[in-house]
Amino acid sequence: EVQLVQSGAEVKKPGESLRISCKGSGYSFTSYWISWVRQMPGKGLEWMGRIDPSDSYTNYSPSFQGHVTISADKSISTAYLQWSSLKASDTAMYYCARGRNWFDPWGQGTLVTVSS
Amino acid sequence: QSVLTQPPSVSEAPGQRVTISCTGSSSNIGAGYDVHWYQQLPGTAPKLLIYGNSNRPSGVPDRFSGSKSGTSASLAITGLQAEDEADYYCQSYDSSLSGSVFGGGTKLTVL
Repeated sequence: EVQLVQSGAEVKKPGESLRISCKGSGYSFTSYWISWVRQMPGKGLEWMGRIDPSDSYTNYSPSFQGHVTISADKSISTAYLQWSSLKASDTAMYYCARGRNWFDPWGQGTLVTVSS
Repeated sequence: QSVLTQPPSVSEAPGQRVTISCTGSSSNIGAGYDVHWYQQLPGTAPKLLIYGNSNRPSGVPDRFSGSKSGTSASLAITGLQAEDEADYYCQSYDSSLSGSVFGGGTKLTVL
């Protein structure tokens, strides 16, 4: 079964750093891009960016460029999304999803709460 | 403001047919890029419903269908069931943004 399993919920303070993960299984991890998608409370889906795990090439939505970093470790079939300095406005559910054109499957989501 | 425009909500009675529109522009749908649709049930991750404008993944009922024309696409759901109550999102690629874009989402209520 093709699966993406994400790391657990996080509660952080403004200014702190964070890295969340997305582990793929049941397929060749380097054969498919991984995207990250944000969903703020009660809002819609926003594509943040993607990585090609075969060569770690990334591209970002202009809305997120410079605010987050996407990376991957193909040796352990895991993609990451990281922040160097969180803000309260980063509070959201974050999903990883597999695919170049369409996204399937999706991870279960990681809830990130940033509050002082 | 989303790059792809969807109606915020639609509603219809059980057994009826409903369509959800997704309107883009010349840099995304109108440029020939495919449209994909996702269903998000309350409290769950999105699930692929339609890919490549009109293709259903294995396991998706044929009550769901997609189409595309010009700068717009549509998702149709026939024989509405209570379990179809969810948020629906369209997605495509935008050449001016060099990345994927989503519609703002449509909340379907089955009356």
